[in-house]
Formats: sequence, structure tokens, C-alpha cells
Amino acid sequence: AQSVSQHNHHVILSEAASLELGCNYSYGGTVNLFWYVQYPGQHLQLLLKYFSGDPLVKGIKGFEAEFIKSKFSFNLRKPSVQWSDTAEYFCAVNAPHSSASKIIFGSGTRLSIRP
Amino acid sequence: DAGVTQSPTHLIKTRGQQVTLRCSPKSGHDTVSWYQQALGQGPQFIFQYYEEEERQRGNFPDRFSGHQFPNYSSELNVNALLLGDSALYLCASSPWGGLAGSWWYNEQFFGPGTRLTVL
Repeated sequence: AQSVSQHNHHVILSEAASLELGCNYSYGGTVNLFWYVQYPGQHLQLLLKYFSGDPLVKGIKGFEAEFIKSKFSFNLRKPSVQWSDTAEYFCAVNAPHSSASKIIFGSGTRLSIRP
Repeated sequence: DAGVTQSPTHLIKTRGQQVTLRCSPKSGHDTVSWYQQALGQGPQFIFQYYEEEERQRGNFPDRFSGHQFPNYSSELNVNALLLGDSALYLCASSPWGGLAGSWWYNEQFFGPGTRLTVL
């Protein structure tokens, strides 16, 4: 069965610091990978996604993520965070060719940015 | 253009009761998915509706059922409520994509959710 692990439950950074949020999944076949973000008081929204091709994908607001198949990872990065990046970040995976195809979310990482 | 809307915003029920939650998809979207998000957890997929039929289902008991109407709006029904059903229920919409399975390649747009408290 598919599963997603986000090991960092709460990350606290200062503005301008670099960010990397970990995401590991368990599934041996083809996967689609997503990062969603939920800003305080707002809806869950898509940050970026990977389906195929270049394993380094760029999303909105300067975020990027790298798919490393050998490590079953899809870590989210941003070179310099801003106070407005304070939010909850969710990694999600889907196995599109699986007979039990459904999307699985990680438990989320809360990011707090100190001004 | 209105995004995904959900009603009600909050709901309080007691154990054993039944509840109905409603969702209107984003304009142009014909597929609706429902998720349960417990406190401190990520969303868990309940089921997905397209063309008024349940197309995919997560690991939820039959107490959770749904419906989709011809205008693509959807309802989530939960019977015999348990304390553990207390959660934020999210609705997401997207285009189907034309082929079974291609739905996963389309971005889902989430609504604000309905906070259900079971006492």
C-alpha cells in the first residue's frame, strides 16, 4: 500500500533562511507527486506537481522540488524564505496505474517564519 | 468566478446522528472528491464522483456515502456518527480529463471545508 512520510512536523526558520522539507513515499511503481500548501485561514492549494520528465520541478512563489526515484523522495526547497511562507505544507502521492489508485497525503509540516 | 464552496461552515452533532455536507464545484469542473482531515493530520481521501457515480473510494466504511447531482454539485452523508468522525471535511473539484485515470493529472481545487464536531 502507498504511504507518505513527512518527518518534520514543525520547522521554524528566520527570514532569508533556506528551506528544505522532507517527503518520502512508499510505492514501487509509477507515481505522481504533489506539494500542497495551506496558508492561515485559506484553502489548500497546489504548490507544484511532478508527473514525468525533469525531476526538478518549479512551482509557485519560488518553490521547487526534486524527485529522487532511488530514494523515494520528493523534497520541497526554497532558497530564501519570507514571512509570508508561514503555512502548513502537505506532500501527496498518487499511483495512477494502480488498481487502488487514490491520492495519499502526508501528515503535513508546519512552517513558521520569524520576521 | 466562484471557487469551490461548501456548506455549512461548522456543524455540531451527537453520536448516532446522521449528517449531510454539501459542495459546489468550481465552474467548469465535473469531478468532485471528498476528504476527511483530522486534527494534525493530512487529508484522507474518502471518495470521488463523476457523472453521478462513485468512481474511486478510500478506506472508509459504508456509513460514508455520497451523491452527485446533474449540476455536478455533491453531498457527503455520514450515518451513525462516531466521536472519531469529528474532523474537517474537504471537498475538491477538478475536470475529469476524458479518460479514466487521467483525472489524477488535473489540479484539484479545494474548498474551505466543513468543520464537524461529534459530541
